[in-house]
Amino acid sequence: DGGITQSPKYLFRKEGQNVTLSCEQNLNHDAMYWYRQDPGQGLRLIYYSQIVNDFQKGDIAEGYSVSREKKESFPLTVTSAQKNPTAFYLCASSAKTSGKGDTQYFGPGTRLTVL
Amino acid sequence: EDKVVQSPLSLVVHEGDTVTLNCSYEVTNFRSLLWYKQEKKAPTFLFMLTSSGIEKKSGRLSSILDKKELFSILNITATQTGDSAIYLCAVGVGGTSYGKLTFGQGTILTVHP
Repeated sequence: DGGITQSPKYLFRKEGQNVTLSCEQNLNHDAMYWYRQDPGQGLRLIYYSQIVNDFQKGDIAEGYSVSREKKESFPLTVTSAQKNPTAFYLCASSAKTSGKGDTQYFGPGTRLTVL
Repeated sequence: EDKVVQSPLSLVVHEGDTVTLNCSYEVTNFRSLLWYKQEKKAPTFLFMLTSSGIEKKSGRLSSILDKKELFSILNITATQTGDSAIYLCAVGVGGTSYGKLTFGQGTILTVHP
């Protein structure tokens, strides 16, 4: 079964702690993305990666970090520098295929709550 | 700054009604426009549009793009309670073969029996 998995589904964190959200895909997609979704807002891009060992900042990268050591995996770390981390986090991937590269497929998301 | 605006932000209808959701955009280097449906968690892909005037259709859903006026509409006919969801519009920008999407705020559709 091909798809994108994210773990955990729910995560609680105390202020001042770093946490890492997992994202894995077995679709053989080159590109992977992290988005944040807040109530009443659309998705905002945090980081994206088009190839292993390379990634770019999105629109709201401050307080977050990523790595891309394997094609299948793109973990996101929410650091203590992120001022308002409580949100729903979505991971996505897309294939580098002519005409279809913009179609991103999403994982089920991780809901992070800071206590 | 790239901008995607959806309207209305929320909509309540009864089963059987027809709805039209709007998406306008102002971006540099437009490449494509996509529609997604988000029920509880993961957004699921509906359509990708790249050319003006060509309607994409899937069952009761259809969508069209106007690149001159910079907008797209998503139509849903004979709505059902299962159509209740957030509908997201996103625009692909940039010169590479794949890359960033800029999303609108979403339209929350509620269909009552």
